[in-house]
Amino acid sequence: TQLLEQSPQFLSIQEGENLTVYCNSSSVFSSLQWYRQEPGEGPVLLVTVVTGGEVKKLKRLTFQFGDARKDSSLHITAAQPGDTGLYLCAGGRNFGNEKLTFGTGTRLTIIP
Amino acid sequence: NAGVMQNPRHLVRRRGQEARLRCSPMKGHSHVYWYRQLPEEGLKFMVYLQKENIIDESGMPKERFSAEFPKEGPSILRIQQVVRGDSAAYFCASSLPGQGAIGSNNEQFFGPGTRLTVL
Repeated sequence: TQLLEQSPQFLSIQEGENLTVYCNSSSVFSSLQWYRQEPGEGPVLLVTVVTGGEVKKLKRLTFQFGDARKDSSLHITAAQPGDTGLYLCAGGRNFGNEKLTFGTGTRLTIIP
Repeated sequence: NAGVMQNPRHLVRRRGQEARLRCSPMKGHSHVYWYRQLPEEGLKFMVYLQKENIIDESGMPKERFSAEFPKEGPSILRIQQVVRGDSAAYFCASSLPGQGAIGSNNEQFFGPGTRLTVL
């Protein structure tokens, strides 16, 4: 079974600080997605990365896919209370329609 | 363009009853996936369907669970003779048809989920 381990599991920081969330695996993935999930709602797709070493930016969020396509990171600059939520990474293996393997999740709380 | 729709949003069943969860994919999407999220756990894949075909059911429990995606109408996840351990949030996702090539990753978009509570 492929496992995606996320760290930290919980993170609580002050508004304005920077943070990084990690998603690690011993397996290679063809693509990796990051989702954010609010309580009582479904995951919302933030980004997809497919190339080793790829970096994508979404406003204050920076996503990186490891060179070996086994790990990824999410960096948030100047965190805001609206960033609070559960962040999930999910990996795919076949460049197309397939099941996703989800990470263990990072629950982020930004304190105003 | 409406997103993935799921109903009901909340479902309460007594042990031994049947639960039917419905999912309407995004317009133009012909691929549907079901995932289950147990309390304080991550999402686990259950089944992947195309119209009238089950493509991958490797995450589906062997007994009591079934899924379909008919030519017309929503995809349905059916749980027979529910037990307390079935209590969870069930999410449906949909995607466009894939091409299986680098750069053609077909992203999955999730619905709001159905929260099943078994009493």
